[in-house]
Amino acid sequence: EVQLVESGGGLVKPGGSLRLSCAASGFTFSGHTMNWVRQAPGKGLEWVSSISITSTFVFYADSVKGRFTISRDNAKNSLYLQMNSLRAEDTAVYYCARDSAYYDTSGYYHPYFDLWGRGTLVTVSS
Amino acid sequence: DIQMTQSPSTLSASVGDRVTITCRASQSISSWLAWYQQKPGKAPKVLIYKASSLKSGVPSRFSGSGSGTEFTLTISSLQPDDFATYYCQQYNSYSWTFGQGTKVEIK
Repeated sequence: EVQLVESGGGLVKPGGSLRLSCAASGFTFSGHTMNWVRQAPGKGLEWVSSISITSTFVFYADSVKGRFTISRDNAKNSLYLQMNSLRAEDTAVYYCARDSAYYDTSGYYHPYFDLWGRGTLVTVSS
Repeated sequence: DIQMTQSPSTLSASVGDRVTITCRASQSISSWLAWYQQKPGKAPKVLIYKASSLKSGVPSRFSGSGSGTEFTLTISSLQPDDFATYYCQQYNSYSWTFGQGTKVEIK
């Protein structure tokens, strides 16, 4: 079955750290850019970070830059998000999402997220 | 950073209605836009990519249009399964931004 399964969420105090994992199965993990997207309770979606196929390129939202680190292990079909210096505003469901790797007939890349996990809840509170 | 503004924030409609949601970008994004549907407690699901391409398996009552800074998602005849929240998403220069969402409610 093609799926993404997140784990590692939980309750952490402000200033603390947490490492999220995302296990991929049913598709060629090493063929896709991967992403983290979060959603605070009752709020909208916020892109957090992306990592290219060979980990050469990583990108972060300004809100997490310098505190979060994205990584991947293609041999283990796994994606990670190391979160440090956590704040109350980081409280959210964190989703792992696969990039479509779609190129149109003119060769232009049109990224969109075509496979999502169910998410893992991170709560930052004292 | 490019900002995405969706309207309306909430929409009340009846089964069978034609529904249109608008998404405006703060600067041109060509056709780098996708639309997602999200139901409570579930992960988002892509409906439209490249502004107007229907994702395989998505009902044909969903359609997308637009380019540059203004985009629309249209549901031609609203079905009971379509009551959900819809998000637009743009891609530009290795950064992705979502609109704030449009909740489609039962009238």
